[in-house]
Amino acid sequence: GQNIDQPTEMTATEGAIVQINCTYQTSGFNGLFWYQQHAGEAPTFLSYNVLDGLEEKGRFSSFLSRSKGYSYLLLKELQMKDSASYLCALKAAGNKLTFGGGTRVLVKP
Amino acid sequence: GAVVSQHPSRVICKSGTSVKIECRSLDFQATTMFWYRQFPKQSLMLMATSNEGSKATYEQGVEKDKFLINHASLTLSTLTVTSAHPEDSSFYICSLEVLQGRLDEQFFGPGTRLTVL
Repeated sequence: GQNIDQPTEMTATEGAIVQINCTYQTSGFNGLFWYQQHAGEAPTFLSYNVLDGLEEKGRFSSFLSRSKGYSYLLLKELQMKDSASYLCALKAAGNKLTFGGGTRVLVKP
Repeated sequence: GAVVSQHPSRVICKSGTSVKIECRSLDFQATTMFWYRQFPKQSLMLMATSNEGSKATYEQGVEKDKFLINHASLTLSTLTVTSAHPEDSSFYICSLEVLQGRLDEQFFGPGTRLTVL
């Protein structure tokens, strides 16, 4: 099976940078995904890593170290609309995604 | 990306009744769809994998006789919560997977909020 850990909540200031860490244990690995979910809405895809290193997509970047079972999502130039839950999800084998508990990020003015 | 719709978006029902939730892929044919459940302030939990033309594959701990899944066409999967009880109240979300270049990305429907009184 898989085990995924991420912090429950984080608070940051508008315009700042926040890093959300995700650690995992798994017997197989086919990719690590990050999703954003606003309250009462469906998750939307942010980023994906299958190889070690940094993937940058505008204000959002994601990093992966497979040997350490570690990923992070970096949010730069925070905006109020970035207040949401951020879900780390692991694809171990086949096409099933296993989600972490999610990190609620609160952006303050 | 793929556009996924769900109907209804919200449903309130009495305990003991059955509720059907539809998940439609509007622009891709989906041989596989996924059904998730999300309780308040918790993450998504995969309930089952819906396979077109065959039986769904349920995750451990999910009762297949209570959560009936039918995937009769390449664009429609339905989840029926039978004899619903208050503990079944949750946010139900479906998704489908689409190959986008090198990435198999899952696209999610908007979710259905079920409240059982």
